[in-house]
Amino acid sequence: QVQLQESGPGLVKPSQTLSLTCSVSGGSISSGGYYWSWIRQHPGKGLEWIGYIYHSGTTYYNPSLQRRVTISVQTSRNQFSLKLSSVTAADTAVYYCSALRFGVLFWGLGILVTVSS
Amino acid sequence: EIVLTQSPGTLSLSPGERATLSCRASQSVSSNYLAWHQQKPGQAPRLLIYAASSRATGVPDRFSGSGSGTDFTLTISRLEPEDFAVYYCQQYGSSPPWTFGQGTKLQIK
Repeated sequence: QVQLQESGPGLVKPSQTLSLTCSVSGGSISSGGYYWSWIRQHPGKGLEWIGYIYHSGTTYYNPSLQRRVTISVQTSRNQFSLKLSSVTAADTAVYYCSALRFGVLFWGLGILVTVSS
Repeated sequence: EIVLTQSPGTLSLSPGERATLSCRASQSVSSNYLAWHQQKPGQAPRLLIYAASSRATGVPDRFSGSGSGTDFTLTISRLEPEDFAVYYCQQYGSSPPWTFGQGTKLQIK
């Protein structure tokens, strides 16, 4: 069973780029059929899907964020990453990485990122 | 974009009672790619149900999912104290963006 762990800075300054990494264990990031995704949750709010990268390299981003989002895979390290540019306080949230395959979604533990000067 | 509307927003029940949570989609969810997740305070969500009615590994059989098209239901047959949490439905059909419902908070009466 795939296990996921987010890492990255917990504090980012406004206008900078938020960068997070998700380390994958229990499976290869090159395995077929996986959608490697990022999801976020604003404090006290619901869940917002950010986007995914398919094992083939195809990406799809939430239209509300697509101008600022990049998701990529680092195969040699069995990781995938999220970059969100030009952040504001509205991007303060818990960020979860996840993996979806054959309908089964595996969640990471989440990482709180605060945008503040 | 498919909008998911969950009802009720808050459900107050007692342990041992039956809980019925609803999720309605603004358009048909392809291949019933509909999931239910449970989230407790301070924790990551946990997958309970996928493909509308399949239980995830380790999920007790008191949890069941049903429905198709635009109307889906999560039923908890007999509530245990650990079941009081927030529940989200999610669609992950062939046409992104994938979306979540706003959540139903299941609280102890």
